[in-house]
Amino acid sequence: QEQLVQSGAEVKEAGASIKVSCKASGYPFTTYNVHWVRQTSGQGPEWMGWINPSSGNTEFAQKFQGRVTMTRDTSITTVYMELSALRSDDTAIYYCATEKRSFESSGTSLYSWFDPWGQGTLVTVSS
Amino acid sequence: DIQMTQSPSSLAASVGDRVTVSCRASQNIDSSLNWYRQKPGKAPQLLIYAASSPQSGVPSRITGGGSGTDFTLTITSLQPEDFATYFCQQTYTTPPTFGGGTTVAI
Repeated sequence: QEQLVQSGAEVKEAGASIKVSCKASGYPFTTYNVHWVRQTSGQGPEWMGWINPSSGNTEFAQKFQGRVTMTRDTSITTVYMELSALRSDDTAIYYCATEKRSFESSGTSLYSWFDPWGQGTLVTVSS
Repeated sequence: DIQMTQSPSSLAASVGDRVTVSCRASQNIDSSLNWYRQKPGKAPQLLIYAASSPQSGVPSRITGGGSGTDFTLTITSLQPEDFATYFCQQTYTTPPTFGGGTTVAI
């Protein structure tokens, strides 16, 4: 079945960078965009951006532009999210998720949703 | 960005109850609304996409409705596994945005 498996929890000092991996299996890797979302305790998820595993194209939330990078390695069906200049308020659980879409008969995209999600990676930033 | 507002933020219920969670968008999003359930320590799990389409494997007691700006998630005959936090998400425009969540507690 389709599955995303993320790298393990990390503790970083403020100012450092973090690189989280997300390995996809159970489907053709280049078929679906992969999104990154983070969640702090008791809050709704916050979208960070997406990567197209086929082309490597990316789009980021304005809030993270300049600090986030998303890459992929098609040989090992893995995408990466790197966040730099970490601050204490970057402490969160980071998730990757596959974007699925429905299409009209004309080929126009109608709706999209995130499924499945990775299990999450806790990133703790200490000051 | 489109703001998603869920209500209530939490509710108490019992097994067998019917519960309804509401989600309001700050502007028209057609039917580009998804619902997720999240249990403590776990990733969100898709329940409903495109406002009313159940994900494969979701029991028929869980339904979604609405369009435009107002949406609902209804669970009839609440089961023990339904005690969790529920999030709505709009994917009408970028950035996709989530509601703040509704926790259904015993």
